[in-house]
Amino acid sequence: DARVTQTPRHKVTEMGQEVTMRCQPILGHNTVFWYRQTMMQGLELLAYFRNRAPLDDSGMPKDRFSAEMPDATLATLKIQPSEPRDSAVYFCASGSGTGLHSGNTIYFGEGSWLTVV
Amino acid sequence: DQQVKQNSPSLSVQEGRISILNCDYTNSMFDYFLWYKKYPAEGPTFLISISSIKDKNEDGRFTVFLNKSAKHLSLHIVPSQPGDSAVYFCAVYRTGNQFYFGTGTSLTVIP
Repeated sequence: DARVTQTPRHKVTEMGQEVTMRCQPILGHNTVFWYRQTMMQGLELLAYFRNRAPLDDSGMPKDRFSAEMPDATLATLKIQPSEPRDSAVYFCASGSGTGLHSGNTIYFGEGSWLTVV
Repeated sequence: DQQVKQNSPSLSVQEGRISILNCDYTNSMFDYFLWYKKYPAEGPTFLISISSIKDKNEDGRFTVFLNKSAKHLSLHIVPSQPGDSAVYFCAVYRTGNQFYFGTGTSLTVIP
């Protein structure tokens, strides 16, 4: 049963601390997305990678957020320093190929729930 | 700049009746349109999609309609069941690019 795995599932941290969220995409998927869910914005795209190369990170606050794919089985999203306004659910999703046809889609992990106090 | 808008944050429907969820998008270049369903404490899961060359796609109780001239997408659920209670996100996609999601509509099906 292939699935996207995210860790940690829950994280409570103090303002100013570094937070690292990890994602293991589905084996064979070459596209990885990071989304943040907030009440006002819904699912915001933060960054995405294809074949480990970053294609778009314009949705990410560059001064404190960074996203990387050290290898094909691991994507990371780091916040340093964290702030209370970063509290949200962060989702990783993966997909395959550059095209999309009916029935193909991206698959989400269960999310990392971040609370910054 | 919101590419996709779901103007109804919530919807309540009686069990057995039709649920209609709506979505508007801004860019006529999108190729595919999708609906995702999300239960609390879980990630969104794919529900149904439609390509830009079609105007309707049906899968069991779920039908997605696409009106390209109006840049409007809708999801019909008939008959609605209590297990359909969830947040529904519409998403749009352009080949080679990223997915854009709406803000979600929380559907409650009342038994």
